[in-house]
Amino acid sequence: GAVVSQHPSWVICKSGTSVKIECRSLDFQATTMFWYRQFPKQSLMLMATSNEGSKATYEQGVEKDKFLINHASLTLSTLTVTSAHPEDSSFYICSASPGRGLYEQYFGPGTRLTVT
Amino acid sequence: QKEVEQNSGPLSVPEGAIASLNCTYSDRGSQSFFWYRQYSGKSPELIMFIYSNGDKEDGRFTAQLNKASQYVSLLIRDSQPSDSATYLCAVNGDTGRRALTFGSGTRLQVQP
Repeated sequence: GAVVSQHPSWVICKSGTSVKIECRSLDFQATTMFWYRQFPKQSLMLMATSNEGSKATYEQGVEKDKFLINHASLTLSTLTVTSAHPEDSSFYICSASPGRGLYEQYFGPGTRLTVT
Repeated sequence: QKEVEQNSGPLSVPEGAIASLNCTYSDRGSQSFFWYRQYSGKSPELIMFIYSNGDKEDGRFTAQLNKASQYVSLLIRDSQPSDSATYLCAVNGDTGRRALTFGSGTRLQVQP
């Protein structure tokens, strides 16, 4: 149980283009989903928190117009990196929380983005 | 001051030994505590959670919580080379946001 999928697992795009990453909770309803970014050998960095049907809450320093988050249903959240640049190349990981009990988070396998 | 602190390591233990990973947190209102394992190049995987003082055992893993001292630990018995990974401690303090605060992780190396 508690499986989270992410698609695509890796993507290469050209500078200036946009990339959409999907995150799905497969066997539970995720009241809340989170998006993280992780650079090599560095810690997880929380980018934003999204609740189904409402606007995402972005962490300080994260550009909400560049990283568009949509949480359209209890099982799907998407992250769109708009006008990507090489410095956006990173490992993007989503997590989903059932939103009850202990608020544990289950992580997707991650998406490795390379912007050329 | 970081809210969740972990020694970055690497912590090196021989195969078959007990690995002890520690974590301290600053928010006394924290209610639930999690240990995640992250292999290089992969996403974190939930290993255990604990919310009551004391020990909680699951197979070779034991989580220990001491709220008075604000620390949580993870013991790995009979360590295997496959346990070599970074272990992340996470704390849920602000239930309104439902976000976890993660430590920066301790890298464990189990030597064959």
